Amino acid sequence: NAGVTQTPKFQVLKTGQSMTLQCAQDMNHNSMYWYRQDPGMGLRLIYYSASEGTTDKGEVPNGYNVSRLNKREFSLRLESAAPSQTSVYFCASDLHRVGETQYFGPGTRLLVL
Amino acid sequence: DAKTTQPPSMDCAEGRAANLPCNHSTISGNEYVYWYRQIHSQGPQYIIHGLKNNETNEMASLIITEDRKSSTLILPHATLRDTAVYYCIVRVNNQGGKLIFGQGTELSVKP
Repeated sequence: NAGVTQTPKFQVLKTGQSMTLQCAQDMNHNSMYWYRQDPGMGLRLIYYSASEGTTDKGEVPNGYNVSRLNKREFSLRLESAAPSQTSVYFCASDLHRVGETQYFGPGTRLLVL
Repeated sequence: DAKTTQPPSMDCAEGRAANLPCNHSTISGNEYVYWYRQIHSQGPQYIIHGLKNNETNEMASLIITEDRKSSTLILPHATLRDTAVYYCIVRVNNQGGKLIFGQGTELSVKP
């Protein structure tokens, strides 16, 4: 049981390049989330998927797109990377029930030059 | 969304209890209080959560006041490995149950 896994662990992009961050969970969770964390700050929600086939915007969705590929996988895409998107990205998942725990992946560190 | 207020930093001596306070005066009746911690920019780690009653697990204890407007996380015997940023979060159960992170408390456990 690996929990929540993310790939890649680290990525360097040039401004304007695109990339997709991958996330997978093996806990049969219904909901999945993408957060970003900038230096010295708490996590902010980018997008989430309450259940397979649905996605919704979070607090800071601009510049990102997501795909809930199946129940296990939730990807985050940067179509045209900008230096302001330099951050650490965390994926999380939970059962989406009252009182349930949300589990986080190890993060992807992204540097946009 | 209920917001939380935490002190930005605290120190604790190794082996002593660490008591981390949190204010959440606008919490709604069905919202849970969650505590997470983050070590060296790793993924946040779940510690404990509760609704009304005090809770205890192998990591910590959570004391929630009767009016639910504040809570305290207790690490009974802090070790150097407990040095981390601790986040007190009120769980929003609509819109996907997202977690709203504040700035947290940076706990430094010193020998």
